[in-house]
Amino acid sequence: AQSVTQPDIHITVSEGASLELRCNYSYGATPYLFWYVQSPGQGLQLLLKYFSGDTLVQGIKGFEAEFKRSQSSFNLRKPSVHWSDAAEYFCAVAPNTGGFKTIFGAGTRLFVKA
Amino acid sequence: NAGVTQTPKFQVLKTGQSMTLQCAQDMNHEYMSWYRQDPGMGLRLIHYSVGAGITDQGEVPNGYNVSRSTTEDFPLRLLSAAPSQTSVYFCASIEAITNEQFFGPGTRLTVL
Repeated sequence: AQSVTQPDIHITVSEGASLELRCNYSYGATPYLFWYVQSPGQGLQLLLKYFSGDTLVQGIKGFEAEFKRSQSSFNLRKPSVHWSDAAEYFCAVAPNTGGFKTIFGAGTRLFVKA
Repeated sequence: NAGVTQTPKFQVLKTGQSMTLQCAQDMNHEYMSWYRQDPGMGLRLIHYSVGAGITDQGEVPNGYNVSRSTTEDFPLRLLSAAPSQTSVYFCASIEAITNEQFFGPGTRLTVL
């Protein structure tokens, strides 16, 4: 069955510390991969995406993610977290062979402490 | 260029009432979707559309109807509201080649 797992329901990091949010997926073939961010009371905004090629992708707000085919993972990282990064983060997968149904993970809520 | 708009932002219904959540996009995307977001469950697909006149069910369609008479609009109808439909509803417009989704700001619905 196709699924996306974000093992951490919530994470707390200190401002200025590094961040890694985990994402694992189960899919028939290498899908398109996405990370979205949702600030409180807002809709989801795309942070970055992977389609093919370089397995390290850069996104907005200083985020990056690395696709590891052997581990079926697409972890999100940021070298230095800012207080404004506090939000909920969703990993998502979509087919790369046509169709568009996207499967979302349950989300990881990031808390940033001063 | 407004992107995806949703109305209303908040709504309170009584059990058994009906209502329509509005969604419109100005990006000329053929694909659109409706999701509901519940704590700890991420986003679940309710219905989707691949173009005007074409809709299909997603993961949790029961109790909801959709129609797509134009490319721009994709309303979601609750036929007889139930407390289990208390949720935040998001509409998304989808870029067909990349599958990138553009979300509206959401509608927070409470059913008493």
